[in-house]
Amino acid sequence: AQTVTQSQPEMSVQEAETVTLSCTYDTSESNYYLFWYKQPPSRQMILVIRQEAYKQQNATENRFSVNFQKAAKSFSLKISDSQLGDTAMYFCAFMKPAGGGGADGLTFGKGTHLIIQP
Amino acid sequence: SAVISQKPSRDICQRGTSLTIQCQVDSQVTMMFWYRQQPGQSLTLIATANQGSEATYESGFVIDKFPISRPNLTFSTLTVSNMSPEDSSIYLCSVYPGPWHNEQFFGPGTRLTVL
Repeated sequence: AQTVTQSQPEMSVQEAETVTLSCTYDTSESNYYLFWYKQPPSRQMILVIRQEAYKQQNATENRFSVNFQKAAKSFSLKISDSQLGDTAMYFCAFMKPAGGGGADGLTFGKGTHLIIQP
Repeated sequence: SAVISQKPSRDICQRGTSLTIQCQVDSQVTMMFWYRQQPGQSLTLIATANQGSEATYESGFVIDKFPISRPNLTFSTLTVSNMSPEDSSIYLCSVYPGPWHNEQFFGPGTRLTVL
């Protein structure tokens, strides 16, 4: 079984600053996917960014980028030029592909509450 | 991406009763999942809803308490049975369209309060 650990329960930064959220995971699998999801107060889970384990290149999506260190089993999220709308819970998640083109359910970390101050 | 709806969006129920939550997707998907998010907590996988067969439950979740149906590739239900206040949570369904997406999309969630 895999585990996902987020060691920062809450972080607060000023608008326009850069912030990095940490995530480590443990697995014996070689093929898997890692995600960062955002959950604002509306409770809708929104995918921020995805990383395939077989890809060495770190994923980027506009202001969001990851630092994926496979050997260290580390997957941090960097948010540049933070905005008030970035205030939310952020969850790191792990997914293993399953047979027949399927996938296992997601394993989530405990989450980091990110607050962007004006 | 997939568009997912859940009904009801929220409900307040009395202990000892049951509630069925519906999850509808706008396209056929390979897999559907149900998660529980207790107040102030992260998401925990309840079960994988298998089309045409019994759901696969995670440790700590049993079919008698959380019966699940998936009659086709676009619809699933989760029933929370014989509810107690400890069942007060947000229940979310997610879908995995297939290996061409390699991500899961979530419904808006159902907020359940048990008195």
